[in-house]
Amino acid sequence: DIQMTQSPSSLSASVGDRVTITCQASQDISNYLNWYQQKPGKAPKLLIYDASNLATGVPSRFSGSGSGTDFTFTINSLQPEDIAKYYCQQSDNFPLTFGGGTKVEIK
Amino acid sequence: QVQLVESGGGVVQPGRSLRLSCAASGFTFTSYTMHWVRQAPGKGLEWVALISSAGSDKFYADSVKGRFTISRDNSQNTLYLQMNSLRDEDTAMYYCARDPHRLPGQGYFDYWGQGILVTVSS
Repeated sequence: DIQMTQSPSSLSASVGDRVTITCQASQDISNYLNWYQQKPGKAPKLLIYDASNLATGVPSRFSGSGSGTDFTFTINSLQPEDIAKYYCQQSDNFPLTFGGGTKVEIK
Repeated sequence: QVQLVESGGGVVQPGRSLRLSCAASGFTFTSYTMHWVRQAPGKGLEWVALISSAGSDKFYADSVKGRFTISRDNSQNTLYLQMNSLRDEDTAMYYCARDPHRLPGQGYFDYWGQGILVTVSS
């Protein structure tokens, strides 16, 4: 199975800050990496697919980059409504696997 | 708009069975691969199973292989998860999710249901 290592596990930042989360795959997954946002008590929501493509309706302050084994998710100008847990997920191979998540809080 | 509504959850004893349903609307159900993803209380996300748009291809996580069966009724726009021999560790919120691909491979989840809670407890 492909292991997905996300870091940090949690972070605290101020409104307006740039926030960066990394995700490392245990083997080359090309660009088959996706990012989700999950708010408390809610279902996850797709933000980024295939490493860098913004999902429909997602604000442009969210972005993703990377290929191979190393990927980055960025929130440019953190907003109060961005408080959530963020997960990466690889779609290169079965079983589909997720990172452990990153909890983003406001400082 | 796309809607996925799960049902069939509840409290069940270890070793017993439960069948989850997911009613889909707002899109052409027959064109999409569908998945089940679960989340144990306070834990991360775990992919469970997928079924291709025509129902001909199915894949499972090792943790449920041989116990869970995914199926779909394209005439009723409904996805199912038959869960047998349930264990304590199957306790989780179960989400059905749509995959924008017709066939398995490079799958991700572009729409999710609200989730349904399954509690396995004696």
